[in-house]
Amino acid sequence: GQNIDQPTEMTATEGAIVQINCTYQTSGFNGLFWYQQHAGEAPTFLSYNVLDGLEEKGRFSSFLSRSKGYSYLLLKELQMKDSASYLCAVRDGNDYKLSFGAGTTVTVRA
Amino acid sequence: DTGVSQDPRHKITKRGQNVTFRCDPISEHNRLYWYRQTLGQGPEFLTYFQNEAQLEKSRLLSDRFSAERPKGSFSTLEIQRTEQGDSAMYLCASSWVDGGTSPLHFGNGTRLTVT
Repeated sequence: GQNIDQPTEMTATEGAIVQINCTYQTSGFNGLFWYQQHAGEAPTFLSYNVLDGLEEKGRFSSFLSRSKGYSYLLLKELQMKDSASYLCAVRDGNDYKLSFGAGTTVTVRA
Repeated sequence: DTGVSQDPRHKITKRGQNVTFRCDPISEHNRLYWYRQTLGQGPEFLTYFQNEAQLEKSRLLSDRFSAERPKGSFSTLEIQRTEQGDSAMYLCASSWVDGGTSPLHFGNGTRLTVT
């Protein structure tokens, strides 16, 4: 099974940077995904890490350390539209389903 | 490609009634997943299919829940004798099997309210 932990809430100012941490314990590992979910909408895919290191995609970056069971999502140059829930999800090594954390609600203030 | 579509978007039903939801995945995807999400929580895995075969069912999926994917295309999720605890957002997702790198693409969900 999976045990995935991430902070419940974070608040930041428009234009700032926010880092959302995720720790996981898993019997197998085949990748870590970050999703963004606005209230009442579907989760949308942001990033994928399977090897250690940093993946950068525009204003969003994601980091993975497999030995530490740790990942973070970095949101730079925050915009009001970035206010959403951010979900960390782990893919087990034995199948293709994703197990999700409870999500981190990010509120961007002017 | 219109993405994953789910129908209906909202369903209000009385306790004890049966409900059925439909999911149409992205056409070239061979994997289809059902998740349930309650307020303030992440999606919880229910079941998934590869083509028409149901490969795994979560312990969360009681005997009142059944899912099908005839012909490996659309899928239905039926809940019999609904209970108030079944109230949640039911999300469908699809993906391509490619060694594990393919993300899940989610539909907008069906919000079920059991009164």
